[in-house]
Amino acid sequence: DADVTQTPRNRITKTGKRIMLECSQTKGHDRMYWYRQDPGLGLRLIYYSFDVKDINKGEISDGYSVSRQAQAKFSLSLESAIPNQTALYFCATSDLMPGLEDTQYFGPGTRLTVL
Amino acid sequence: GESVGLHLPTLSVQEGDNSIINCAYSNSASDYFIWYKQESGKGPQFIIDIRSNMDKRQGQRVTVLLNKTVKHLSLQIAATQPGDSAVYFCAERAPRGYALNFGKGTSLLVTP
Repeated sequence: DADVTQTPRNRITKTGKRIMLECSQTKGHDRMYWYRQDPGLGLRLIYYSFDVKDINKGEISDGYSVSRQAQAKFSLSLESAIPNQTALYFCATSDLMPGLEDTQYFGPGTRLTVL
Repeated sequence: GESVGLHLPTLSVQEGDNSIINCAYSNSASDYFIWYKQESGKGPQFIIDIRSNMDKRQGQRVTVLLNKTVKHLSLQIAATQPGDSAVYFCAERAPRGYALNFGKGTSLLVTP
């Protein structure tokens, strides 16, 4: 979705390096999420944020941290990358409107390889 | 723990046929379900959703059926086209929940 962009799209790094993945959205949504996708495991939630001052851990937050710099920006950091963090990472956004569902819309993903 | 699973990991259909992708869920409290389509190299794309107070919802060429008695969700694609080839995920959400619990995905392959 052009409304949700992620940078970089691909990244190869070495064990122990600090990595930051960035997500920006023009949908005007308050809620943002970071997911990880591994083959055969579907998508798993790492962190989520319901507004700029709200940060919450998801199912698999260990080894990750996030920063919500603005309504439109949500960054995911790997403080010290390890090989089993090799995966596809997706950012998603949603907005809970009265009478509507909180449907999540995904970015194109970042493929991260940790050697 | 609660889980969302798919009956078939892969499905091959001929162009023009109808496709049915199935999904089982185990959290009887889930109140909202979504189907996503993921093409190679792209993020999941919203297809259709359904609330637990409904048993059927139709979109353009797609229909989602919800059977709460047996905790089963299905996605029907009419007149399947090559562009429908992708991995399809179902996802569920518990009441007042925030996170979507995703299934592992079914790969749909449309052959000429």
